Amino acid sequence: DSGVTQTPKHLITATGQRVTLRCSPRSGDLSVYWYQQSLDQGLQFLIQYYNGEERAKGNILERFSAQQFPDLHSELNLSSLELGDSALYFCASSVDPGQAEAFFGQGTRLTVV
Amino acid sequence: GQQLNQSPQSMFIQEGEDVSMNCTSSSIFNTWLWYKQDPGEGPVLLIALYKAGELTSNGRLTAQFGITRKDSFLNISASIPSDVGIYFCAGRMSSGAGSYQLTFGKGTKLSVIP
Repeated sequence: DSGVTQTPKHLITATGQRVTLRCSPRSGDLSVYWYQQSLDQGLQFLIQYYNGEERAKGNILERFSAQQFPDLHSELNLSSLELGDSALYFCASSVDPGQAEAFFGQGTRLTVV
Repeated sequence: GQQLNQSPQSMFIQEGEDVSMNCTSSSIFNTWLWYKQDPGEGPVLLIALYKAGELTSNGRLTAQFGITRKDSFLNISASIPSDVGIYFCAGRMSSGAGSYQLTFGKGTKLSVIP
């Protein structure tokens, strides 16, 4: 158990809908990262937050947004969902952005039908 | 964007054999990490490397940070059935202003035949 908690574990929704994925980082970790894992693209970095502020953006679509709250949990919002958004979404956390070792949650498997 | 080429894509080995996999990049990284992912789980950190030339072991696993900072390899000695999974390399560099991102290879799927 990495200490990073993601909910829900599975999500099935229809195209055009909006969903919210939630992540609680390990106790003491201030930095949260979101990744998308699909079969053909591997693990793709989406976005990073540190202590509530956005720090880095990767290949995140405009339809996707995220935030980190004062209690350090983070949410990833995915809207106007398309079939191609079906993937595993992982959250990872580290003490601070300078620490390379990030610990991953178990992921949320999103299926868009 | 940065690309990591990880090879081989998959391998089948006999239990007890040694395994070697590697990652190469066109870009320089400051840190290399190796993760293992089991089905239905998130990646688990195995080894982190911070300096060019560094050789680090974790039990039967040994990884090295290439001296050019553009490559890394992972060796697993005397493989056992629980080594089955997908192994990912990841390179990390600063993208400025205290922000960092990991770039992942596409993984090496390891199967161990008892």
